[in-house]
Amino acid sequence: GNSVTQMEGPVTLSEEAFLTINCTYTATGYPSLFWYVQYPGEGLQLLLKATKADDKGSNKGFEATYRKETTSFHLEKGSVQVSDSAVYFCALTPNSNSGYALNFGKGTSLLVTP
Amino acid sequence: EADIYQTPRYLVIGTGKKITLECSQTMGHDKMYWYQQDPGMELHLIHYSYGVNSTEKGDLSSESTVSRIRTEHFPLTLESARPSHTSQYLCASNPAGTARGRFETGELFFGEGSRLTVL
Repeated sequence: GNSVTQMEGPVTLSEEAFLTINCTYTATGYPSLFWYVQYPGEGLQLLLKATKADDKGSNKGFEATYRKETTSFHLEKGSVQVSDSAVYFCALTPNSNSGYALNFGKGTSLLVTP
Repeated sequence: EADIYQTPRYLVIGTGKKITLECSQTMGHDKMYWYQQDPGMELHLIHYSYGVNSTEKGDLSSESTVSRIRTEHFPLTLESARPSHTSQYLCASNPAGTARGRFETGELFFGEGSRLTVL
């Protein structure tokens, strides 16, 4: 079935460090891929998305490229800020089962220290 | 900014009580979802709906029930709460299938969540 695997956290970085959060997926067909972010005490917000192979999603300095050959969608940011501290979820759109609900990874907690 | 609202944001109740978590969206989305988020942050789909009068169980078995009498409203009910129901519940909607539908992206819009504690 469709699934997402992302690196376990927590990840702790100093401000201005480079961030990579790995995400790989298993899916039939051609899913869309997403990164969501959850700030403390809040719901999830869409961070970026990619709908086909080789697409690059980007937002707020974050980037991720849809790599079909490696079934990956790694999240990167060149210089993190304290305000980036949050939980990050990789997700994919499954097929028509489950009403097009997203399959989420287990989440990766990021803490950025000054 | 997404217009999807959940109430209450926080609820502490005793065992055996009946509770309803409300979820409303003003975007006219057909598809709506309830996810349960465990303390380890993992999200589990417990219910979803394709539209009015449609309700389906998700991947994780849940003792809760849902209803969809109106497009904008998707409440979740626990008839008799237990400590094992303590969790964060997240409601979401999807524009796929509407006139402005981004069907191909499947983007979900989330409410801010309802944190339930059952003593």
